[in-house]
Amino acid sequence: GQQLNQSPQSMFIQEGEDVSMNCTSSSIFNTWLWYKQDPGEGPVLLIALYKAGELTSNGRLTAQFGITRKDSFLNISASIPSDVGIYFCAGQHNNRPNNNAGNMLTFGGGTRLMVKP
Amino acid sequence: ETGVTQTPRHLVMGMTNKKSLKCEQHLGHNAMYWYKQSAKKPLELMFVYSLEERVENNSVPSRFSPECPNSSHLFLHLHTLQPEDSALYLCASSQVWISGGRADYNEQFFGPGTRLTVL
Repeated sequence: GQQLNQSPQSMFIQEGEDVSMNCTSSSIFNTWLWYKQDPGEGPVLLIALYKAGELTSNGRLTAQFGITRKDSFLNISASIPSDVGIYFCAGQHNNRPNNNAGNMLTFGGGTRLMVKP
Repeated sequence: ETGVTQTPRHLVMGMTNKKSLKCEQHLGHNAMYWYKQSAKKPLELMFVYSLEERVENNSVPSRFSPECPNSSHLFLHLHTLQPEDSALYLCASSQVWISGGRADYNEQFFGPGTRLTVL
């Protein structure tokens, strides 16, 4: 099946530093999503991208939908301790027959972010 | 209650037990999902219900049995589980639009998960 390669797998940074992580795919997606998961909780949607080339911000977070539709990145500026968690990218196809599994999300392996105060 | 809720939050069961996980969404969505999250593994999609009809079952063992009585509720019935089934089980919901036999799924919203331990 299709896979999303997310990197880096983990990052340990100093508070105030900027962070960048990305996902690449062997196939094209119509939608890219970025989620954050805190320990013991479910993933929370941070940013959704729907168009190739789209650049979207949410506070200190910025994400882009790659032009090729096979990649996306997430940047976090001026990191703070509460940014700690696991960040997941997810790609989604759409507008396929209702029973087509390709409509479902494919998740990357996650980037574990640790921030040192 | 708002968003997606899951109960119980934690569950410990023996291999011979039968238990059920419950998920409820308060977002007016019409698609619901079960995921399994094991340590150091990507999220694994287990089941999908779209408009209360199962549309995806990723070769999940029969000891896991889903039930979707309506668009707001989703259950995962568990019986004779194995220790390797210990994981965080996440429920999610989304909106889906069906037109001309084709489906357009919106982004998914997750519940907090049930941490399952099988002894």
